[in-house]
Amino acid sequence: EPEVTQTPSHQVTQMGQEVILRCVPISNHLYFYWYRQILGQKVEFLVSFYNNEISEKSEIFDDQFSVERPDGSNFTLKIRSTKLEDSAMYFCASSAEAEHYGYTFGSGTRLTVV
Amino acid sequence: GEDVEQSLFLSVREGDSSVINCTYTDSSSTYLYWYKQEPGAGLQLLTYIFSNMDMKQDQRLTVLLNKKDKHLSLRIADTQTGDSAIYFCAESMRRYSTLTFGKGTMLLVSP
Repeated sequence: EPEVTQTPSHQVTQMGQEVILRCVPISNHLYFYWYRQILGQKVEFLVSFYNNEISEKSEIFDDQFSVERPDGSNFTLKIRSTKLEDSAMYFCASSAEAEHYGYTFGSGTRLTVV
Repeated sequence: GEDVEQSLFLSVREGDSSVINCTYTDSSSTYLYWYKQEPGAGLQLLTYIFSNMDMKQDQRLTVLLNKKDKHLSLRIADTQTGDSAIYFCAESMRRYSTLTFGKGTMLLVSP
């Protein structure tokens, strides 16, 4: 079964540092997403990406965040200057244009900002 | 804004039926989903239902939707220990739009 792959599974970073979270979506999917889950809280939408541009973003997705699809296979989330409150599990997801409902999620990257 | 609420914990014995409940606030929710998260894993789509349906059955899973009360439930028949996980209810207005999730219900199945 095709999978969405995320790396690394766990990243620890110092406050103020930049981090890049990487995702390889399913190859024929066209819609890409980032969600995050702070421990004990709801899974929250960050951003959606289609046709090489952001299609929707939440209030959380401020100027510190950016997304990129640099090479047609990877989909990255960059946090420029991490804060303690960015500590969360970050999920990448993708979906196809036709026949699928719901997304396929990756297993997540746990980001710990110290 | 949209909100989705779930009870946080459910404990059942193996072989019993489990019913996980969810309420949502947005009457324009068109797609309603149930996701399962096992420890250390991502969110796995279990099933979905359109707002013009009342019920959907898929093997051991039965989804019931009461649009009037904005209430969604997931029934798992003959619950097994492998069903122990966190179950998330989610809704969206359009097929590829953002998902609004509940906090998740932890289901613990004891032998």
